[in-house]
Amino acid sequence: KAGVTQTPRYLIKTRGQQVTLSCSPISGHRSVSWYQQTPGQGLQFLFEYFSETQRNKGNFPGRFSGRQFSNSRSEMNVSTLELGDSALYLCASSLGGTRNTGELFFGEGSRLTVL
Amino acid sequence: AQKVTQAQTEISVVEKEDVTLDCVYETRDTTYYLFWYKQPPSGELVFLIRRNSFDEQNEISGRYSWNFQKSTSSFNFTITASQVVDSAVYFCALSEATSYDKVIFGPGTSLSVIP
Repeated sequence: KAGVTQTPRYLIKTRGQQVTLSCSPISGHRSVSWYQQTPGQGLQFLFEYFSETQRNKGNFPGRFSGRQFSNSRSEMNVSTLELGDSALYLCASSLGGTRNTGELFFGEGSRLTVL
Repeated sequence: AQKVTQAQTEISVVEKEDVTLDCVYETRDTTYYLFWYKQPPSGELVFLIRRNSFDEQNEISGRYSWNFQKSTSSFNFTITASQVVDSAVYFCALSEATSYDKVIFGPGTSLSVIP
């Protein structure tokens, strides 16, 4: 079955702009998590959505937001971009709910460069 | 608060050597999951193993083995007879019963296997 799909794969923005990243989870998966990966900070948890509700949130400023749609697809948005937002943004899906095993299935990521 | 520490930033071994990757975790929950993920140079994170807090049995899967010790809050990963294809970044991760879908990752250990 199809894996987790993230779009776009690469993008370049300038400071002050905003960006929206998209994630389509594996069919049947209802939980979507977002991570930021940088060489200095590693994999940092941004937030997690289940059934269109944000259930968990990491320690990121309010410029980072997300949402989940009824088909489980998710988007994350970063407003007023800063140079430090340059990173690989990873989306992961899991079954979620009572069938959850905690195992995450990752997409290939969206690499954001802020100039 | 949950935290995962991987003290080894980078490890280099010669092919066929055994190598152990260390992982120490912190959690206040008595029920939790521990994971190992592999991120090869291609970039996509791949699940390797999940262990729940009530199962301290060591596990072996081919050349891979895991040693879980609650007494020392450690979940170490050993690769026997390493191969060049094992070169990757390995992440240890933790999720707590109160929020299984919030998976917190350690900083990762970069393993290089030299032919």
